[in-house]
Amino acid sequence: QKEVEQDPGPLSVPEGAIVSLNCTYSNSAFQYFMWYRQYSRKGPELLMYTYSSGNKEDGRFTAQVDKSSKYISLFIRDSQPSDSATYLCAMSYDRGSTLGRLYFGRGTQLTVWP
Amino acid sequence: EAQVTQNPRYLITVTGKKLTVTCSQNMNHEYMSWYRQDPGLGLRQIYYSMNVEVTDKGDVPEGYKVSRKEKRNFPLILESPSPNQTSLYFCASSPTYRASNQPQHFGDGTRLSIL
Repeated sequence: QKEVEQDPGPLSVPEGAIVSLNCTYSNSAFQYFMWYRQYSRKGPELLMYTYSSGNKEDGRFTAQVDKSSKYISLFIRDSQPSDSATYLCAMSYDRGSTLGRLYFGRGTQLTVWP
Repeated sequence: EAQVTQNPRYLITVTGKKLTVTCSQNMNHEYMSWYRQDPGLGLRQIYYSMNVEVTDKGDVPEGYKVSRKEKRNFPLILESPSPNQTSLYFCASSPTYRASNQPQHFGDGTRLSIL
């Protein structure tokens, strides 16, 4: 079983829709949770990160972590065509011999049509 | 401009011919890492380096070598490339070894095709 599971989609929504992207994970020791956005032919760029549980909001983006369920989400409100990209979740530990390791989901391809 | 630069961006080569993909960052970052991205498998970490002369294996290190002799450079070496190493490769860096909670700055990728 892969440590981080993410539905690859594709997901296609109309402009203005609320988008929900999700990942599940198996290792309860993960402490940092990140969302990256990757446009076609470019490297990933960090959108948001959270430590442990809780919510974090940045403009139209909200990241949620539910450690009890081993489930993280990214919500995009008022989605725009410019949000069309692949979204990758990533997780890591905060201590120990695997401090520098980063574990990515497969990515969800999102298309927002006008 | 802060950036991570990979070279080459595209390469088609043949099995067994040694190749090196260079990665350089101009942000004085301590941490650097290599990933490969394959359809359906997402990003997988190959090697990472927490600082000069410190390197560690990621998920898929077999068939790859790295070195970190100076802070700004982290080359990826394929001593004897094979077709299963055909992939899109990304180099990334972040300010300190605590990459967990810091944004990783990614290069724009190197597409390798090994025939």
